[in-house]
This record gives sequence, structure tokens and C-alpha cells, in this order.
Amino acid sequence: GDSVTQMEGPVTLSEEAFLTINCTYTATGYPSLFWYVQYPGEGLQLLLKATKADDKGSNKGFEATYRKETTSFHLEKGSVQVSDSAVYFCALDTGRRALTFGSGTRLQVQP
Amino acid sequence: DGGITQSPKYLFRKEGQNVTLSCEQNLNHDAMYWYRQDPGQGLRLIYYSQIVNDFQKGDIAEGYSVSREKKESFPLTVTSAQKNPTAFYLCASSPGLAVQTSYNEQFFGPGTRLTVL
Repeated sequence: GDSVTQMEGPVTLSEEAFLTINCTYTATGYPSLFWYVQYPGEGLQLLLKATKADDKGSNKGFEATYRKETTSFHLEKGSVQVSDSAVYFCALDTGRRALTFGSGTRLQVQP
Repeated sequence: DGGITQSPKYLFRKEGQNVTLSCEQNLNHDAMYWYRQDPGQGLRLIYYSQIVNDFQKGDIAEGYSVSREKKESFPLTVTSAQKNPTAFYLCASSPGLAVQTSYNEQFFGPGTRLTVL
């Protein structure tokens, strides 16, 4: 079945460091891919998305490129801020049911 | 403003009691979803509904029940049969499969934290 694998956290970085959170997936067909962010005690917010191979989603300095050949959708940001501290979820949609989520990666950014 | 509301934000229940969590959306979305989130874990699908008066079990439906009598409302009942109900519950909605888009982006509510005493 469909699945999403994310790197385990927490990821701890200093402010202005470069961020990469790895995400790989297994799915039949051609899924759409998403990154969601969850701040403490809140629901999930869509961060960015990509709907086909080689698409790059971007928002608020975050980027991720849909790589079909490696079945990956890694999240990157060139310079993280303390306010980026949150849990990040990678998810896929094959249009069949609901989104399939990864287990989440907690990011902690220290001043 | 369009969005999804969940109430209450915090809910306490005694063992053996049923409790109902509210979820309302004014986005005119066809599809609605309930997820459960446990500390340090991802989201697990409880129930989903693609259209009014129809719903399907997700991966962990045992001990839960839902109804979808109105497009904008999808309440979740946590019954006494649910053995470990303490968790964070998230409701979401999406335009639905009937919409001609290449993806099914979900919009989330703020969540309800349920604690069983």
C-alpha cells in the first residue's frame, strides 16, 4: 500500500543554518505530494505542494522538488529561524481515499 | 472567513462515557476527515466522508462513530468501546473527488485534545 517515510527527529539547528528534512514515498500511480507544518497545540497547515514529477513547491523560503526517479520530496530551507520550530509532515495523495502522512519530523531551532 | 472549526479545544471524559467532538466547515467542501494524533506520532485516519450521508472507515475506526447529515458538519463520537481514547483529534476537509483537480489538498481545524480521567 501507499506509505511515506520521513527522517526521525528531532532535528536541532542553530538559527540561519541550512535545513533538509528527507521524505521518500511508496505509491502506485502518480501521487501529489505535500508538506504540512504543525505548531504546538495547533492543527496542520499546508506549507507547499507538488502535483507532478519535477515540480518544485515553495513557500516562506521552504522548497521541495518532486523526484519521481528517487521517489522523494525532501524539504529544504536555506536559513532557518527560531519561528520555524515545529513538526513537519510529508504526505501523499493518490486520489483514492485520504492523504497518507509520514510520522512527522520535529525541528528545533536555537537562537 | 472560511475555515474549519472544532470544539471544544479541550475535553475531559470519565471512563465509560461517550463523548462527541464537533467539526464544522464553511468552505463548501464535499469531503471531510477525522484523524487521531498521539504524542510524537503521525496522523492516523479514523473515518472519512466523501459526500453527505456517506462515510467510510479509516484505519482505526473501532470504538468511534460518525454521522454526515449536513455538508458542513462531521461530528465524531468516541464511545466507551475505545480502549485508549486520550489523544489529539484533528478534523479536515477537502474539495472532494468530484472536483476536477489533480490533487486533494486538505484543510485542517485547530484540533480537540481529549483526556480520559
